[in-house]
Amino acid sequence: DGGITQSPKYLFRKEGQNVTLSCEQNLNHDAMYWYRQDPGQGLRLIYYSQIVNDFQKGDIAEGYSVSREKKESFPLTVTSAQKNPTAFYLCASSKITGGPSNEKLFFGSGTQLSVL
Amino acid sequence: GQQVMQIPQYQHVQEGEDFTTYCNSSTTLSNIQWYKQRPGGHPVFLIQLVKSGEVKKQKRLTFQFGEAKKNSSLHITATQTTDVGTYFCAAPASGGSYIPTFGRGTSLIVHP
Repeated sequence: DGGITQSPKYLFRKEGQNVTLSCEQNLNHDAMYWYRQDPGQGLRLIYYSQIVNDFQKGDIAEGYSVSREKKESFPLTVTSAQKNPTAFYLCASSKITGGPSNEKLFFGSGTQLSVL
Repeated sequence: GQQVMQIPQYQHVQEGEDFTTYCNSSTTLSNIQWYKQRPGGHPVFLIQLVKSGEVKKQKRLTFQFGEAKKNSSLHITATQTTDVGTYFCAAPASGGSYIPTFGRGTSLIVHP
């Protein structure tokens, strides 16, 4: 089945530790995204990538880093600089088209990150 | 960047009552998407509206895009317990970007 896979489902971070969240897609989508979800806050964009070896900061990129070495993979690292990392992290992918229509986002099942 | 304001934040209804959530923008939107997130789940795409005044229906769900393309609504007729979840609108950020910016969502609670 085609889809987007996130792992792990739950992750715990110790103070001062970097942790990496995995995101893999086999939909052959060019664009991939990371969103952070906090209760009552909706989804806020952390980083996105339109093409391999290129990515752009979103609205809340501070304390996070990403890489896009392969089309299928877009891992997110939550660094120790992120002082409030507890949240639900969602990875998504989409095609890219021009014009007034946007391609729909396909989301992974998410990773819940908590601080010990 | 583009901001879409979504109201209400929460809505409690009795099963069988109708429900509406609204999404508003201060600028003209090129398109708007709607997603549903079940409790404990991830957002799932419902629909996209592109044309001014567009109305689309999916069974008991009716989606509208305003004439000025600055607002949109999702209306559910005769809610069921399966409608429980958070409904998000999403629209591209300004400046010709295709990146969706999400509203804060409306959480629908249906009481049997």
